[in-house]
Amino acid sequence: QSALTQPASVSGSPGQSITISCTGTSSDVGSYNLVSWYQQHPGKAPKVMIYEVSKWPSGVSNRFSGSKSGNTASLTISGLQAEDEADYYCCSYAAGGTYVFGTGTKVTVL
Amino acid sequence: EVHLLESGGGSVQPGGSLRLSCAASGFTFSNYAMSWVRQAPGKGLEWVSGIGGGGSRTYYVDSVKGRFTISRDNSKNTLYMQVTSLRAEDTAVYYCAKDRGFYIDTGMLQSWGQGTLVTVSS
Repeated sequence: QSALTQPASVSGSPGQSITISCTGTSSDVGSYNLVSWYQQHPGKAPKVMIYEVSKWPSGVSNRFSGSKSGNTASLTISGLQAEDEADYYCCSYAAGGTYVFGTGTKVTVL
Repeated sequence: EVHLLESGGGSVQPGGSLRLSCAASGFTFSNYAMSWVRQAPGKGLEWVSGIGGGGSRTYYVDSVKGRFTISRDNSKNTLYMQVTSLRAEDTAVYYCAKDRGFYIDTGMLQSWGQGTLVTVSS
């Protein structure tokens, strides 16, 4: 039940694309296509942005996209906007009916 | 519209106990698994515990096994977590979250409450 590994910070200019990685193991990310991504603004509750690796919940912009290769999942934000500045967390289903979150990435819009 | 409202947090001494509650509305509560997720001050999210829609299947992160107990009352649309033998490292905002399905196996926490703060300090 170790946390998934994410970069501490990623930054980009408005309009650019950035990618956040999320590295797990063969017991979580590598075994299930059940990776989700959450956006959290300061003082607010998390909001799901991507589920099942690459699917969009209703109402979420398609500027957010997800993918997975082996034990690493990725979130790409295209056309970066000021409102995208937030913390982002990946999450994977793991064996035994549990979930494990990533360490979190702070996205800064320059 | 889904609405989740946590309560029961507060300040407690090490070794103390609390019962956290999460009142749900806007959906058929018994059809969905629920989880508790916590966030220590300035830190990341940590999944703590989950329970299936029927209430019989429960799951915990290793660090709280034997100390925390998750339960639900589907007749009252309410999720609970009894937290005991509290430690300083349990200090966090505790969120309740609605899963996308009946079991803890969808990989998606679809809706979240605003959280309740638990502070463990002498």
